[in-house]
Amino acid sequence: SYVLTQPPSVSVAPGQTARITCGGNNIGSKSVHWYQQKPGQAPVLVVYDDSDRPSGIPERFSGSNSGNTATLTISRVEAGDEADYYCQVWDSSSDQGVFGGGTKLTVL
Amino acid sequence: EVQLVESGGGLVQPGGSLRLSCAASGFTFSSYWMHWVRQAPGKGLVWVSRINSDGSSTSYADSVKGRFTISRDNAKNTLYLQMNSLRAEDTAVYYCARDMTTVRAVDYWGQGTLVTVSS
Repeated sequence: SYVLTQPPSVSVAPGQTARITCGGNNIGSKSVHWYQQKPGQAPVLVVYDDSDRPSGIPERFSGSNSGNTATLTISRVEAGDEADYYCQVWDSSSDQGVFGGGTKLTVL
Repeated sequence: EVQLVESGGGLVQPGGSLRLSCAASGFTFSSYWMHWVRQAPGKGLVWVSRINSDGSSTSYADSVKGRFTISRDNAKNTLYLQMNSLRAEDTAVYYCARDMTTVRAVDYWGQGTLVTVSS
């Protein structure tokens, strides 16, 4: 089955740029989606189809995808961005959804 | 406003069964694929199952295949997950989730319902 690999944690100072990676075999050929989850809350979609943002998501959130790595970039990080972030793809060969293990973003 | 409200969670013994429900409102339920996603305490998100818009096609994670059954009643705007032969490792918050349709992403989530499998 398809595997997505994320770093367990990323730390960044307020106002700086956070980059969260998601690795997978030839992930550049797949459509990657990113979710933010704060403690005790349901996840929220922040980027879909590699780089599109749902309405209401700030432009500070962006995504890219190429080769074996997809990246969620959060510019001008704020304290309110502190959360767990998950990448997700659809594995069409098995007709199954796949989530990465999640990355805890800490704002210093 | 899109709303997904799960119910049916609770404490069940290993080997037991439970049926989760998800009441949908605020959108044309019969037009959307739906998913179940779970999250064990302190752990990450895990996709469980999906069903297409008319219920004719389903798929499952390997860990639940043969034990769980996803279904829907479009007349009642309700999604279900029948869980049999439950194991301790099935303990999790179960989220009902709406598929985006254009891509296989989730654009709306319910608040989740906790299933605890323990003797």
